[in-house]
Amino acid sequence: DGGITQSPKYLFRKEGQNVTLSCEQNLNHDAMYWYRQDPGQGLRLIYYSQIVNDFQKGDIAEGYSVSREKKESFPLTVTSAQKNPTAFYLCASSPGTPSYNEQFFGPGTRLTVL
Amino acid sequence: ELKVEQNPLFLSMQEGKNYTIYCNYSTTSDRLYWYRQDPGKSLESLFVLLSNGAVKQEGRLMASLDTKARLSTLHITAAVHDLSATYFCAVVTDKLIFGTGTRLQVFP
Repeated sequence: DGGITQSPKYLFRKEGQNVTLSCEQNLNHDAMYWYRQDPGQGLRLIYYSQIVNDFQKGDIAEGYSVSREKKESFPLTVTSAQKNPTAFYLCASSPGTPSYNEQFFGPGTRLTVL
Repeated sequence: ELKVEQNPLFLSMQEGKNYTIYCNYSTTSDRLYWYRQDPGKSLESLFVLLSNGAVKQEGRLMASLDTKARLSTLHITAAVHDLSATYFCAVVTDKLIFGTGTRLQVFP
């Protein structure tokens, strides 16, 4: 089955801790994205990557970091510098740039800071 | 800065009724998506609208795009409870910009 997987589904973090959210895709897509969703709001772009070993900041990158060492994987680290990390995090991928290609979304990770 | 506004933000409607959700955006784009999200779930793609005047229909939902007016609509015909969800439009520029969502609740 082709698709996007995210793990874990639920994640609890103590204040001051870094945590890493996993995103894997087997769709052979070049581009991958991370979004944050707060209750009652739309999605906001954190980071995106159009090719391996390259990524760009989105609209709300502060307090987050990413890597893209493999085409299939785009992990997101929520650092202690992110002051309000409790949110629903969605990973997406697309065959190429968003200008011409539809994005497909993973099932999401819900992060809660204790 | 591109803004994507949806209205209404919340819609409570009776089964069998019709209604329209509006998506206005502030810059030029000729590609727009509609997504559905159930509580606690990911986004499900509903429609991809690729050009001015595009109209797509699936079941009780019909979406249209007017790029000159920078407006897309999602029309619901004879609503049923299973349509209860949050609906997002998303406009394509060099990235995908999401609207705030419309939470739809259909009651008997």
